[in-house]
Amino acid sequence: AQTVTQSQPEMSVQEAETVTLSCTYDTSENNYYLFWYKQPPSRQMILVIRQEAYKQQNATENRFSVNFQKAAKSFSLKISDSQLGDTAMYFCAFMKPTPNTGTASKLTFGTGTRLQVTL
Amino acid sequence: EPEVTQTPSHQVTQMGQEVILRCVPISNHLYFYWYRQILGQKVEFLVSFYNNEISEKSEIFDDQFSVERPDGSNFTLKIRSTKLEDSAMYFCARGRGYSLGYTFGSGTRLTVV
Repeated sequence: AQTVTQSQPEMSVQEAETVTLSCTYDTSENNYYLFWYKQPPSRQMILVIRQEAYKQQNATENRFSVNFQKAAKSFSLKISDSQLGDTAMYFCAFMKPTPNTGTASKLTFGTGTRLQVTL
Repeated sequence: EPEVTQTPSHQVTQMGQEVILRCVPISNHLYFYWYRQILGQKVEFLVSFYNNEISEKSEIFDDQFSVERPDGSNFTLKIRSTKLEDSAMYFCARGRGYSLGYTFGSGTRLTVV
């Protein structure tokens, strides 16, 4: 079974600064997908960024980027130019594809990191 | 307009009562998932549902739980006899393909008293 570990329960960053959230995972699979989800106080789950394990290039979405180290099984999220609206819980998640379905299978989540952006 | 809508947004029920949580409206979607998040804890997989059948379920998804798509659009999660520990946020999600992951609904907060 896959496991996802987020070792930072809480983090704080000042507005406009950069912060990195850590995530490690354990799997014997070679092909899989990794995601970061944001959960603001509204409790909505919002996809931030995704990474395919077979791609060496790190994913980037505007101010959000990842550092994917497949050998180390590490998948950290970097938020640049932090904004007050980035305040939220951030969950790292792992997905192993289900053969022959062509669609998403179940996600395994980490315990989350609560990020507070301050003035 | 959200792709996945859940109702109700908040439900309070007495222990032992049955509750039905709904994803509405959804059309032309084949893959659905239910997840649970106990307050302050991580999000946990409950069940996946493909083409009107359960394709995978977790150990949490015991005989108290059931899912169905009664009218071809609404997708429901039923808890037959609620327990205090069933209090949580319940999220419905639509599968979008491996690389895209899910679209989550806005969630239903269930409070069992």
